Amino acid sequence: ETGVTQSPTHLIKTRGQQVTLRCSSQSGHNTVSWYQQALGQGPQFIFQYYREEENGRGNFPPRFSGLQFPNYSSELNVNALELDDSALYLCASSSKTSGGTNEQFFGPGTRLTVL
Amino acid sequence: GDSVTQMEGPVTLSEEAFLTINCTYTATGYPSLFWYVQYPGEGLQLLLKATKADDKGSNKGFEATYRKETTSFHLEKGSVQVSDSAVYFCALSPRTGKLIFGQGTTLQVKP
Repeated sequence: ETGVTQSPTHLIKTRGQQVTLRCSSQSGHNTVSWYQQALGQGPQFIFQYYREEENGRGNFPPRFSGLQFPNYSSELNVNALELDDSALYLCASSSKTSGGTNEQFFGPGTRLTVL
Repeated sequence: GDSVTQMEGPVTLSEEAFLTINCTYTATGYPSLFWYVQYPGEGLQLLLKATKADDKGSNKGFEATYRKETTSFHLEKGSVQVSDSAVYFCALSPRTGKLIFGQGTTLQVKP
């Protein structure tokens, strides 16, 4: 069973640029959630995708957007990068059933640095 | 809104010492509660969970009990090892799919 994978591992961008981060969910999972973890802080929920649609969003501006593909993989896009966007971006996959969403399994993350 | 508060770290212990990391939460309804662990340079790993009041989650010698009356989910281990050194996150899920995390507690275990 393949776990959650993310790419790239590290990324350096400059302020104002755009970035795309990718996530492949664990086999059998249909839901992907994205989190931002600033240095020394707990992860903050960005949004969740289920059946290719956004299914809940945290307190992040519209320049944070995402996609989910038919194979349940996902992308996180951030436009007009700001210095405060520097963080570890974590993807988590889970399986949403009629009884609710099961536990989330995290990938290793993408470390984004904005200069 | 829903939130999680953890004791501030770092927590420094000698090997074989007893560990307690306090976690309290604020939530409407009946959330599920989790402890995640993050080793240096890695993502989060689920350590244990509890889905209803009085449930005890346990894994690898770690335990935590869901206490609704005190809105707490404290993490305990009877004898820590150097390999337990990591950052520990308490989290809740209000069954909407998202996880709400505490700020994390760094544990350093010295031989």
